[in-house]
Amino acid sequence: SQTIHQWPATLVQPVGSPLSLECTVEGTSNPNLYWYRQAAGRGLQLLFYSVGIGQISSEVPQNLSASRPQDRQFILSSKKLLLSDSGFYLCAWRKTRGLSEAFFGQGTRLTVV
Amino acid sequence: GEDVEQSLFLSVREGDSSVINCTYTDSSSTYLYWYKQEPGAGLQLLTYIFSNMDMKQDQRLTVLLNKKDKHLSLRIADTQTGDSAIYFCAESMAGGSYIPTFGRGTSLIVHP
Repeated sequence: SQTIHQWPATLVQPVGSPLSLECTVEGTSNPNLYWYRQAAGRGLQLLFYSVGIGQISSEVPQNLSASRPQDRQFILSSKKLLLSDSGFYLCAWRKTRGLSEAFFGQGTRLTVV
Repeated sequence: GEDVEQSLFLSVREGDSSVINCTYTDSSSTYLYWYKQEPGAGLQLLTYIFSNMDMKQDQRLTVLLNKKDKHLSLRIADTQTGDSAIYFCAESMAGGSYIPTFGRGTSLIVHP
């Protein structure tokens, strides 16, 4: 069966510090991978998606970047965090064919102070 | 405007039925989904419906689809306090190359 791991679960970082959130998927190959941010009352905002190793599409220009160094690994990064980067970050994956429902990680609560 | 719209809040009494509504704009959507998000957790797929179906029932959940009006609803029978969560409507076409579009989520509050 497929599983998705996302860590850390919570993170408190000072303004100006770097960020690295990691997401890995097990039990499948060549998944489509996604990073979402969820701000209170604003639903899910798609940040990045990837259809393959090294292939990153950005939906919203901002202070964040994403990388996919391996087939089932997706990393969300920042060189210098802003207060406005605080939020709940969700990683998700989908199969490339068929029903293609999205499977979500448990999320990372990031607080920038 | 947004591609998928939902009301933000719904409050019901325990034991009553809950109906969460969603409208979408993309008539080529193949799949429509309902996800549940409990506090501090990721989203879990509750149920889905193909665009060529009108209704799908799964235990206490009933999904109704009006394709002509692009209207989707989720009915929860005998709502329990454990059903309190945020419910997201989403739509996509078949195939992983299409990015699912999510609504903003409806917060369901169940009170005794």
